Amino acid sequence: RKEVEQDPGPFNVPEGATVAFNCTYSNSASQSFFWYRQDCRKEPKLLMSVYSSGNEDGRFTAQLNRASQYISLLIRDSKLSDSATYLCVASSGGYNKLIFGAGTRLAVHP
Amino acid sequence: DGGITQSPKYLFRKEGQNVTLSCEQNLNHDAMYWYRQDPGQGLRLIYYSQIVNDFQKGDIAEGYSVSREKKESFPLTVTSAQKNPTAFYLCASSIRGLAGAGDNEQFFGPGTRLTVL
Repeated sequence: RKEVEQDPGPFNVPEGATVAFNCTYSNSASQSFFWYRQDCRKEPKLLMSVYSSGNEDGRFTAQLNRASQYISLLIRDSKLSDSATYLCVASSGGYNKLIFGAGTRLAVHP
Repeated sequence: DGGITQSPKYLFRKEGQNVTLSCEQNLNHDAMYWYRQDPGQGLRLIYYSQIVNDFQKGDIAEGYSVSREKKESFPLTVTSAQKNPTAFYLCASSIRGLAGAGDNEQFFGPGTRLTVL
């Protein structure tokens, strides 16, 4: 079983749609969680950290469910520029070793 | 501008050659990391360093070597012992080196694409 699992997609949605991604992690000792965005053939860029209380940044909302060991990302009012691969990340017990999921691909069309 | 730089952007290696990938950061971060990414797979950790003159093996260290003589620099050597080196190599850094909550978000350089001829 992979330590961080994501649906690879692709999720094909029209502009303006709301889309949600889930991700599960296997290590109950994980303490830090993140969502990264990766454009084709580019480096991953930090989208947002995920806190226990949930957090929101504009059109993006992240949630953490420790009991079920999953993380979610909600994107509202999708833009064409949101098309990318979204990587779910959990720390491996300690704080400095991060485990990356393989990513969920999002394609937003006009 | 503060950031992480990697060079070269593209690198071609012949069979049996060792090659070194450069990674430099001017963010004053303590920790640095090397990952490789293969198509359709997540990032896999090769080596990481929490402080200068110290580094640890990641999940796929065989066939690779690193050094951390300066805080700003963490070069990766891909040796001839690495049988399948063609991949996208990413270097990252984070503020905090030793274990502790917070400040462990990792920031990435632009990557080096290595191809074996």
